[in-house]
Amino acid sequence: EAAVTQSPRNKVAVTGGKVTLSCNQTNNHNNMYWYRQDTGHGLRLIHYSYGAGSTEKGDIPDGYKASRPSQENFSLILELATPSQTSVYFCASGGQNQAPLFGEGTRLSVL
Amino acid sequence: GQQVQQSPASLVLQEGENAELQCNFSSTATQLQWFYQSPGGSLVSLLSNPSGTKHTGRLTSTTVTKERRSSLHISSSQTTDSGTYLCAIDRNMGYKLTFGTGTSLLVDP
Repeated sequence: EAAVTQSPRNKVAVTGGKVTLSCNQTNNHNNMYWYRQDTGHGLRLIHYSYGAGSTEKGDIPDGYKASRPSQENFSLILELATPSQTSVYFCASGGQNQAPLFGEGTRLSVL
Repeated sequence: GQQVQQSPASLVLQEGENAELQCNFSSTATQLQWFYQSPGGSLVSLLSNPSGTKHTGRLTSTTVTKERRSSLHISSSQTTDSGTYLCAIDRNMGYKLTFGTGTSLLVDP
């Protein structure tokens, strides 16, 4: 069964700390995405990847890095977390011509 | 400005009533996708409809590409339809989606 698994599901971080959000997909999809969802903004694309070793900037990449070490895994890294990065983060994977499948989301609070 | 606008922002129905959700977009869209998000949950793809009319179950989507608008009609609403409906477009080939802020639907029994 197609699946996108995010970890952790909830995270509390301190300002200035490093945060890594992980995403694993078992769908053999080439494309993977990281979005954040905030009230009033909908979902916004942070980074995406077309395959292992590739990462591309989305619409709001500032303050975030991404890593795609393998087909299955795509991480989002906040090197110096700030309170403005408090949000719900969604990972998704998708094929060339199909709508992405989304994970369950990670709720991040930066204090 | 907002590239994808959805209306209404919220909607309350009695079970059995129909719903009409609107999505207007300011850029040419090569893909248009409707998603459902359960309260506090993840997103599930409902329909992909870049042009024309598509049906699945109680859902009908009509997209008029030249007018840059799409609608989602939900017939005979059920309490389990409650949640947020999101419209998203992609301006290029591929699925780098731009989302609207959604329509929050509440169906009362």
